[in-house]
Amino acid sequence: AQSVAQPEDQVNVAEGNPLTVKCTYSVSGNPYLFWYVQYPNRGLQFLLKYITGDNLVKGSYGFEAEFNKSQTSFHLKKPSALVSDSALYFCAVRDWSDSGGYQKVTFGIGTKLQVIP
Amino acid sequence: DTAVSQTPKYLVTQMGNDKSIKCEQNLGHDTMYWYKQDSKKFLKIMFSYNNKELIINETVPNRFSPKSPDKAHLNLHINSLELGDSAVYFCASSQDQGWEAYNEQFFGPGTRLTVL
Repeated sequence: AQSVAQPEDQVNVAEGNPLTVKCTYSVSGNPYLFWYVQYPNRGLQFLLKYITGDNLVKGSYGFEAEFNKSQTSFHLKKPSALVSDSALYFCAVRDWSDSGGYQKVTFGIGTKLQVIP
Repeated sequence: DTAVSQTPKYLVTQMGNDKSIKCEQNLGHDTMYWYKQDSKKFLKIMFSYNNKELIINETVPNRFSPKSPDKAHLNLHINSLELGDSAVYFCASSQDQGWEAYNEQFFGPGTRLTVL
């Protein structure tokens, strides 16, 4: 069974400062990891994913994430936060279901990012 | 040219009623999903279809019945609505290979269901 943890309910950062949104995972096989963003009253939008290869993954809107196998983490980062980055961020992991019959993506509980002007 | 669309956007109904939510994607994807997002924003998969075949059924009550008439459409019918069904329901699609799930998902705008 897979799990994904987002330890912070909310992250506050000043505009222009670097931001980090944390995610750790636990899977039985090779991890496929994703980050999504949800703006108020909208569906989720894909930001980036790690499947294999380079540990530093670059995505949309200047976001990047670093895959760290030893720490089982996949933290989302951005060098300079914008007020418009304020949203709900979801980390997700793909793994096999408990029955082993199919693969599915499990989402974390979400982290609210508040960028303060 | 919306990629994943859902109707209706809002649905307010009485307990015990039956309602349907429709979803369509024009991305040519093979796999479609239904998710439920509760008031705490927790997102949980309900169903997944690949090429009209049910792949995932995550212990959802029998009152919920998905139907996929073709691979571009996945509808959700809910019988005997209960207060606890109030949530935002998201449809999504991805280009996945049946049992594999390594591609990103594209989400619809959501349907906010309120059961009174």
